[in-house]
Amino acid sequence: GAGVSQTPSNKVTEKGKYVELRCDPISGHTALYWYRQSLGQGPEFLIYFQGTGAADDSGLPNDRFFAVRPEGSVSTLKIQRTERGDSAVYLCASSLTGGPTEAFFGQGTRLTVV
Amino acid sequence: DQQVKQNSPSLSVQEGRISILNCDYTNSMFDYFLWYKKYPAEGPTFLISISSIKDKNEDGRFTVFLNKSAKHLSLHIVPSQPGDSAVYFCAARISGGSNYKLTFGKGTLLTVNP
Repeated sequence: GAGVSQTPSNKVTEKGKYVELRCDPISGHTALYWYRQSLGQGPEFLIYFQGTGAADDSGLPNDRFFAVRPEGSVSTLKIQRTERGDSAVYLCASSLTGGPTEAFFGQGTRLTVV
Repeated sequence: DQQVKQNSPSLSVQEGRISILNCDYTNSMFDYFLWYKKYPAEGPTFLISISSIKDKNEDGRFTVFLNKSAKHLSLHIVPSQPGDSAVYFCAARISGGSNYKLTFGKGTLLTVNP
């Protein structure tokens, strides 16, 4: 498809389990971002990739969260030892560059930790 | 500490009338502002933006006004249509090294009644 694609759309996991969330950005977009939207809040920045490297991971809440983008396209957000507080919608976005162009968002993955 | 504030969680207007969504910010370093629209189960989609060197930007039915001295911006939709019913997020960005990072407000749910 032409847009940002995220899989799965929904993920329910048990507390303490490991999860991976996948993002396929728009073809040719070098910049990729992960945001997290908790209930009643706006999206909050997690991490920014320019190409294969994480240029800014200052938004990752703790070391249980990790993201990769090995070939500069698809990215995976990994959460270890999930906690109930990790429940949120995880949004991925991409843009042509990291500059002032507007980012295009995927539909998000709704993660529920029970 | 919320740097971008949307103090109205919801707004209801009649079809054909004007919708005015407000946004305040506290960080004087912000110099580029965006509005995103979000439908349920979809990611935010870019609507309109404004640079801090302007005080108004218009795109069809949508106009964004920026008052830098008051650290306030507003989105006007005229005339409002039922399809405009969605959550609207105000977002802000700092130019320079971190210009990829968006700071979002909590959003305002707009309902346009037929």
